[in-house]
Amino acid sequence: GQNIDQPTEMTATEGAIVQINCTYQTSGFNGLFWYQQHAGEAPTFLSYNVLDGLEEKGRFSSFLSRSKGYSYLLLKELQMKDSASYLCAVLDSNYQLIWGAGTKLIIKP
Amino acid sequence: NAGVTQTPKFRVLKTGQSMTLLCAQDMNHEYMYWYRQDPGMGLRLIHYSVGEGTTAKGEVPDGYNVSRLKKQNFLLGLESAAPSQTSVYFCASILGGETDTQYFGPGTRLTVL
Repeated sequence: GQNIDQPTEMTATEGAIVQINCTYQTSGFNGLFWYQQHAGEAPTFLSYNVLDGLEEKGRFSSFLSRSKGYSYLLLKELQMKDSASYLCAVLDSNYQLIWGAGTKLIIKP
Repeated sequence: NAGVTQTPKFRVLKTGQSMTLLCAQDMNHEYMYWYRQDPGMGLRLIHYSVGEGTTAKGEVPDGYNVSRLKKQNFLLGLESAAPSQTSVYFCASILGGETDTQYFGPGTRLTVL
């Protein structure tokens, strides 16, 4: 079967750095997405990785290792508005997105 | 440019009732998707469409039907609602390539009593 694992919840302090991990086992791989979802709202796109390595975009970076079936999302200089759920999703061999359950990130002052 | 819109935003149904959720996008996107999101679970694909007049089943299609008569609209129907269909429903669309970013509508919160 196909499986995407993320921690259910994480807590971090305003101004700090947090790393949210995602491991996956899917039938094929055509890229990995990270989305942010605030409570009661729709997911919004953060990043897309298809090659190994780190993609940096402002305060957010995403890393991919295809051989390990592993990705992480790194958030720097955390702000209160970063409190949200972070969803990892993998595009499988049929170009269908398989979604993780999401990681709820709680930012404390 | 409104992006992706969904109607209604909220709905309460009784078991056995039917309803249709409408998704509309004004970005000329080819691909459209219907997902449901339940607590503690990832988004699950119900049905999708890769172009006007085409539809395909996703991961959890049972109890739902869809139609894509116009490129900009993707309708999700529940013929006989069940409490297990209580969920938040999201519509999404992408321009064309499968690796494109998915743009989501604001969601429809459906409760079936």
